[in-house]
Amino acid sequence: DAGVIQSPRHEVTEMGQEVTLRCKPISGHDYLFWYRQTMMRGLELLIYFNNNVPIDDSGMPEDRFSAKMPNASFSTLKIQPSEPRDSAVYFCASRTGRKYNEQFFGPGTRLTVL
Amino acid sequence: GDSVTQMEGPVTLSEEAFLTINCTYTATGYPSLFWYVQYPGEGLQLLLKATKADDKGSNKGFEATYRKETTSFHLEKGSVQVSDSAVYFCALRDTGGFKTIFGAGTRLFVKA
Repeated sequence: DAGVIQSPRHEVTEMGQEVTLRCKPISGHDYLFWYRQTMMRGLELLIYFNNNVPIDDSGMPEDRFSAKMPNASFSTLKIQPSEPRDSAVYFCASRTGRKYNEQFFGPGTRLTVL
Repeated sequence: GDSVTQMEGPVTLSEEAFLTINCTYTATGYPSLFWYVQYPGEGLQLLLKATKADDKGSNKGFEATYRKETTSFHLEKGSVQVSDSAVYFCALRDTGGFKTIFGAGTRLFVKA
């Protein structure tokens, strides 16, 4: 299995631009998570999906952030408009529904907003 | 709500030294406990886990025991290597089994 796939790996953009991050979870996994990691705030859960349905988006920082999962093999996290404080590494993770199972993380997307 | 507290880093050790990274948790019910490791430029990966009280998780020479009486899950290794340099995250899965709650991470540097 290829593991969780994220693209792009690096993104540099200017303030005010729209940014779209992409994730392909491991086949057969029915939970998908988006995290943000910064030095100041550590690892933050933004949103998670179960069977393509958003379950908890309480970690999404503000309305500029949105996430979708149109099917079991694809999810996007969009920031519009982007701001310098959005600069971070964004991770996607997936797992099966069994309670004790580990989460598998993607390699992350390093976002820099100038 | 549920939470995880782990010792602040960075922790700097010489090769072959003994490692302990403390982790305590607050949770209702009976959570599962995990240690994840993050190497530079990579995502987190599972290091070990324990699903009930007194369970010991182990992997790659690392160990941690689920202590319900002290609500702790301390990570230990008898002899660290330079290749163990990474950030270590303690985590719990809430009783509902949906979200994983991560600690702040502890950075470990091992010197040759």
